[in-house]
Amino acid sequence: GNSVTQMEGPVTLSEEAFLTINCTYTATGYPSLFWYVQYPGEGLQLLLKATKADDKGSNKGFEATYRKETTSFHLEKGSVQVSDSAVYFCALSGYNTDKLIFGTGTRLQVFP
Amino acid sequence: ETGVTQSPTHLIKTRGQQVTLRCSSQSGHNTVSWYQQALGQGPQFIFQYYREEENGRGNFPPRFSGLQFPNYSSELNVNALELDDSALYLCASSLASGRAYNEQFFGPGTRLTVL
Repeated sequence: GNSVTQMEGPVTLSEEAFLTINCTYTATGYPSLFWYVQYPGEGLQLLLKATKADDKGSNKGFEATYRKETTSFHLEKGSVQVSDSAVYFCALSGYNTDKLIFGTGTRLQVFP
Repeated sequence: ETGVTQSPTHLIKTRGQQVTLRCSSQSGHNTVSWYQQALGQGPQFIFQYYREEENGRGNFPPRFSGLQFPNYSSELNVNALELDDSALYLCASSLASGRAYNEQFFGPGTRLTVL
């Protein structure tokens, strides 16, 4: 079945450092791919998405490219801020469905 | 535009009890999905309701049941609570448009603790 694998955290960075959080997936057909962010005490917020191969999703300085050849959707940001500290979830929805399958999440801690 | 709201925020129950969680979907949305997020884990899909009917179910036992009302709000009911049911329960609403991808908007969740 469909699944998502994320790198384990926590990821600890200094402010202005470069961020990469790895995400790979297993799916039949052509899934849509997402990154969600969960700030402390809050629900999930959609950070970015990509719905077909080679699409690049971007938002708030974060980017991720849908790589079908490597079944990956890695999250990157050039310069993180303390306010980016949160848990990040990679997710997919399979072909012809919007039900989401999530990875286990990666906690990001950014220190000044 | 009102976002997705859930009630209550927190709930404490004992084993064997029953619980009802509530969700009001975002204005204009006709689909509600429920997810269970155990501590330190990603959310897991429980089921989805579209126009008052169940439209898909994850790997959860029948003691997890739901309803959707004509105004598209929804309830999640869990009978015979077990300790492992302790989790954050998330509701997400979307507008089904006949396409594969419909963005889901999440509520803040209900934290259920089973003692």
